[in-house]
Amino acid sequence: QKEVEQNSGPLSVPEGAIASLNCTYSDRGSQSFFWYRQYSGKSPELIMSIYSNGDKEDGRFTAQLNKASQYVSLLIRDSQPSDSATYLCAVGGSARQLTFGSGTQLTVLP
Amino acid sequence: GAVVSQHPSRVICKSGTSVKIECRSLDFQATTMFWYRQFPKQSLMLMATSNEGSKATYEQGVEKDKFLINHASLTLSTLTVTSAHPEDSSFYICSATGQGPGDTQYFGPGTRLTVL
Repeated sequence: QKEVEQNSGPLSVPEGAIASLNCTYSDRGSQSFFWYRQYSGKSPELIMSIYSNGDKEDGRFTAQLNKASQYVSLLIRDSQPSDSATYLCAVGGSARQLTFGSGTQLTVLP
Repeated sequence: GAVVSQHPSRVICKSGTSVKIECRSLDFQATTMFWYRQFPKQSLMLMATSNEGSKATYEQGVEKDKFLINHASLTLSTLTVTSAHPEDSSFYICSATGQGPGDTQYFGPGTRLTVL
């Protein structure tokens, strides 16, 4: 059974700091990886997708993928209180399905 | 682009009644749609996968006769919760693929169902 593991947190960082969110996955054949942000009471919102080893940057967000280590991470630079949310790591599989981690709750302290 | 809507956003019903939730892709054709359920402080649980014009594929433990899914067009999927009971109260979220690379899923805003 495919598994996606995340540290549930809560993770607290001061405003302006870098938040680092980590995720590991069990299926070595996985090819697509996603980070979603979910505010309390709302549905998930796509932040980034990554398919190749290395880093992918989009504004304050950087996704890092290491397929050999089966590890994907999300860095949030210059964290803002509005970044406080639960971050979901998702890994693509068959039939276009995604396997989600349980999420990491991030709090950015003003 | 890649906007998915859901209707209604919130519904309260009596036990034993049926509730229909609509999921629409507004600016793209959704080849595949997914239905999730999320209980408070828990992660998303995939209920079923539906492709336009074919029967939905349900995840293990999800009753297909209770949760009826219809994907009649490339922009519309519906989930009907039949004979709802209080334990069916949850946050139901749909997602769609078909826009963008690979299997990127775009989520609707969700429907909060409360069964009294």
